[in-house]
Amino acid sequence: DAGVTQSPTHLIKTRGQQVTLRCSPKSGHDTVSWYQQALGQGPQFIFQYYEEEERQRGNFPDRFSGHQFPNYSSELNVNALLLGDSALYLCASSPLGTTLLYEQYFGPGTRLTVT
Amino acid sequence: TQLLEQSPQFLSIQEGENLTVYCNSSSVFSSLQWYRQEPGEGPVLLVTVVTGGEVKKLKRLTFQFGDARKDSSLHITAAQPGDTGLYLCAGAREYGNKLVFGAGTILRVKS
Repeated sequence: DAGVTQSPTHLIKTRGQQVTLRCSPKSGHDTVSWYQQALGQGPQFIFQYYEEEERQRGNFPDRFSGHQFPNYSSELNVNALLLGDSALYLCASSPLGTTLLYEQYFGPGTRLTVT
Repeated sequence: TQLLEQSPQFLSIQEGENLTVYCNSSSVFSSLQWYRQEPGEGPVLLVTVVTGGEVKKLKRLTFQFGDARKDSSLHITAAQPGDTGLYLCAGAREYGNKLVFGAGTILRVKS
């Protein structure tokens, strides 16, 4: 049973560039959430996708956008990168519509460094 | 402002000692999860508690959800070096399952 997978593992970008991160949810899961974890802090919620639509959004600017595909996989896009966007980006999946509504399973993350 | 306050921020103990990590909030949560994260990896779910006053045990780890569902604790008995890591608590509010995380407790168990 494959868990949550993310790609790439590491990424180095320059200020002003754009980046796309990818996530495949755990088998049987249809909801994908994205989090940003800065060094030494807990993850911060960016947004959540279900049925190819954004259901909830955290306090992140419009430079952060996403997409969910019919196979439930998801992308996170960040435009006009800033130095402060350097962080570990985590994808989490959960099975909506079951009693496990609140449980989320995380992927290994993508380490983004903006120089 | 951190909705979930974790304490202590850092804990360094000897193998065999007991420890407790606290997660406190002024807000009510429908559920609370505890995760363990190692450097460069994603958080791994340890437990979910949903009922006020609930106690769950996972081998040497005991988790408790406060009666008012505003706080939680993680107690580790006879800590081992393999317990070393970042422990995160995360709460889910009534609507949807967006998780609010605490800043984490870094645990180091020395042999």
